[in-house]
Amino acid sequence: GIQVEQSPPDLILQEGANSTLRCNFSDSVNNLQWFHQNPWGQLINLFYIPSGTKQNGRLSATTVATERYSLLYISSSQTTDSGVYFCAVENRGSTLGRLYFGRGTQLTVWP
Amino acid sequence: DTAVSQTPKYLVTQMGNDKSIKCEQNLGHDTMYWYKQDSKKFLKIMFSYNNKELIINETVPNRFSPKSPDKAHLNLHINSLELGDSAVYFCASSHSGTVNTGELFFGEGSRLTVL
Repeated sequence: GIQVEQSPPDLILQEGANSTLRCNFSDSVNNLQWFHQNPWGQLINLFYIPSGTKQNGRLSATTVATERYSLLYISSSQTTDSGVYFCAVENRGSTLGRLYFGRGTQLTVWP
Repeated sequence: DTAVSQTPKYLVTQMGNDKSIKCEQNLGHDTMYWYKQDSKKFLKIMFSYNNKELIINETVPNRFSPKSPDKAHLNLHINSLELGDSAVYFCASSHSGTVNTGELFFGEGSRLTVL
């Protein structure tokens, strides 16, 4: 199956700092989604972004499918941004619904 | 209103027992999934159903049996539980297009501990 690598694996920030999380994938994709898992374990869909750029408040994401990567930007980070960020991709030609997850970036934001 | 709800949220049981987890979605989606999250937080798909039809069946022991009575419900039954089955099990749902899958929405997870 397709390989999905996220970096960095861990990130520690002071409140107010900006950060960029990266997701690289090994093959063509027709679907890419970013998720946030909060410290209580809840998984929230942040972006559905197979290509292009989207913004939602302090978060934005860009996917460059031709170069096989996606970036998640967090600006003016807050303690509530802490948790694990996952990207997941769907391979062109694979069974519909088969999303492959990266191992995540663990983000800790200190006050 | 909870969009994807699963019960129970916590399960503690002995090895060898059988247990079930139930999932319901009120988003009108046609596809539902079971994912397993291990102790290192790795998420892996186990099963998917589209309109009650099994679509994805990953390499999962046949002690795990999903059942979808209708497109809004997907249950997971586990027989003869083993220590290695301890994990968090997430239900999810999405629309399925012809080319790719829509946004995935997860339930709150069911933490299974096998003693």
